[in-house]
Amino acid sequence: EVKLVESGGGLVQPGRSLKLSCAASGFNFNDYWMGWVRQAPGKGLEWIGEINKDSSTINYTPSLKDKFTISRDNAQNTLYLQMSKLGSEDTAIYYCARAVAFDYWGQGVMVTVSS
Amino acid sequence: DVVLTQTPVAQPVTLGDQASISCRSSQSLVHSNGNTYLEWYLQKPGQSPQLLIYKVSNRFSGVPDRFIGSGSGSDFTLKISRVEPEDLGVYYCFQATHDPPPFGSGTRQEIK
Repeated sequence: EVKLVESGGGLVQPGRSLKLSCAASGFNFNDYWMGWVRQAPGKGLEWIGEINKDSSTINYTPSLKDKFTISRDNAQNTLYLQMSKLGSEDTAIYYCARAVAFDYWGQGVMVTVSS
Repeated sequence: DVVLTQTPVAQPVTLGDQASISCRSSQSLVHSNGNTYLEWYLQKPGQSPQLLIYKVSNRFSGVPDRFIGSGSGSDFTLKISRVEPEDLGVYYCFQATHDPPPFGSGTRQEIK
């Protein structure tokens, strides 16, 4: 069974950093692109970015390119999202998903940016 | 950047009836490789989104055949025949042909 489990969320002060993890199981992690999507409270879905199988290609939505960094550890079957200079606009549920075509999603992890 | 416009924003439906959602793109979604990377997702209340349709008209594993995706170029439609209670939620289209790939703004399907 394909499973994606996000962790690392919580309350963080404005301007600080946070790193999310996504633990994958039930499939050969090395064979898939992976991505991150977020959803602000009461809002729609926003694509954050994606990473290819060997981390040689990483794409971001332009507005987040200088703040967020996607990485992966294939030995640990884990996807990461490093977020820096966080602001209130980054308050959202963050989902990891298997790509291409997001066929499996994690349950999401809440990040709240507030003082 | 590509913009996806979904209509309607909200759609009250009667269980058992057909529903239809439109997704229009500001650019053609035909990739240089000939594929059209238009997907549909459903987010049920309190849940993560789930993939329904990929490459315009292909149903993902386990998706009932009452979900039908169609369209070409920049104009796409998701039809749901015989709406059932588990079909309620917010539907999003998504394109992966052009970078950055956006989601549509969503269509909330609710019981009339």
